[in-house]
Amino acid sequence: AQKVTQAQTEISVVEKEDVTLDCVYETRDTTYYLFWYKQPPSGELVFLIRRNSFDEQNEISGRYSWNFQKSTSSFNFTITASQVVDSAVYFCALSVQAAGNKLTFGGGTRVLVKP
Amino acid sequence: DTEVTQTPKHLVMGMTNKKSLKCEQHMGHRAMYWYKQKAKKPPELMFVYSYEKLSINESVPSRFSPECPNSSLLNLHLHALQPEDSALYLCASSQGFTGYGANVLTFGAGSRLTVL
Repeated sequence: AQKVTQAQTEISVVEKEDVTLDCVYETRDTTYYLFWYKQPPSGELVFLIRRNSFDEQNEISGRYSWNFQKSTSSFNFTITASQVVDSAVYFCALSVQAAGNKLTFGGGTRVLVKP
Repeated sequence: DTEVTQTPKHLVMGMTNKKSLKCEQHMGHRAMYWYKQKAKKPPELMFVYSYEKLSINESVPSRFSPECPNSSLLNLHLHALQPEDSALYLCASSQGFTGYGANVLTFGAGSRLTVL
């Protein structure tokens, strides 16, 4: 069985501060995908990134960056110079090849960016 | 604008009512999903349709009845719901249900259901 843990339920920062969201996953499969989704107050989940288990390269996209470490089963997400528009709930998720597209979500981390 | 459109955005219904939630996508995706999300919880998978056939039913009560009339449309028929069924119902789609490009889901904004 798969499991995703987001230990931080809520993080509050002041605009322009950096914020790092932790994600720890568990799976016995060797082929899997990790995701981050953003859910703003409007409701829809917005896809941010997918990383497969064979690609441990870190990635940067604008103010967003991701650190994937198989050794610690972690896939952490950093928002640099946070903005009010970053306020949302962020979900880390895992899918394994054997189970197709069934996403296992973490509990989510609510990020509140104050002006 | 989201590429997965859900209607209605809000729905209030009594326990004896029959209503439907609708979802539409025009991205050519061949897999469509229904998720249920309670407040402050992650989404929970309910159903998956692949090529208009039901592929996964996560042991959802029969008072929820999905329908996929064609590759662009997905409905969720609701009947005799309970107050605990009140939640945000999210529709999603992906290119397919298997294969490398398949598992990036595009979500709609959801239909917020209140059962009185």
